[in-house]
Amino acid sequence: NAGVTQTPKFQVLKTGQSMTLQCAQDMNHNSMYWYRQDPGMGLRLIYYSASEGTTDKGEVPNGYNVSRLNKREFSLRLESAAPSQTSVYFCASRSQGPDTQYFGPGTRLTVL
Amino acid sequence: QKEVEQNSGPLSVPEGAIASLNCTYSDRGSQSFFWYRQYSGKSPELIMFIYSNGDKEDGRFTAQLNKASQYVSLLIRDSQPSDSATYLCAVNEGGGADGLTFGKGTHLIIQP
Repeated sequence: NAGVTQTPKFQVLKTGQSMTLQCAQDMNHNSMYWYRQDPGMGLRLIYYSASEGTTDKGEVPNGYNVSRLNKREFSLRLESAAPSQTSVYFCASRSQGPDTQYFGPGTRLTVL
Repeated sequence: QKEVEQNSGPLSVPEGAIASLNCTYSDRGSQSFFWYRQYSGKSPELIMFIYSNGDKEDGRFTAQLNKASQYVSLLIRDSQPSDSATYLCAVNEGGGADGLTFGKGTHLIIQP
């Protein structure tokens, strides 16, 4: 039981490049989330998926797109990376009993 | 805009003493409250959740909730050097699937 996994662990992009961050969970959770964490800013919600087939914007969605591929997988895409998207990205999935979120190990992204 | 406020610290506590971490939130409709611990370079790890007014104890940890004052706290008894980390307070408005709002975290240092 791996919990929440994320790939890649580290990535360096040039401004304007695109990439997709992958996330998968094996806990049979319905809801999944993408957060970013910046120094001094805490964790901020980018997008979430309450269930398979649905996605919704969070606090900071601009510059990102998401796909809920199936119940296990939730990907985050940067179409044209900008230096302001340099951050650590965490994926999480939510258990409903009790109501808790479990986080993946994170992807550290640098945009030059 | 939902806000969760924490003192960023650092909060320095002698080994064996009680560490007290505090959090206030702005949304009176908030229903679920969480404390996460995050070591440097790692992902957030759930320590405690609390839904009802009062105290909830789990080992050396006690979470306290006062909805009237919109205040959540975490007490760590018999503090150990391994408790040194950043502690994140998080709030879920209605227990729904729309993600957590995090504070910026309090950096706790336990001095041997």
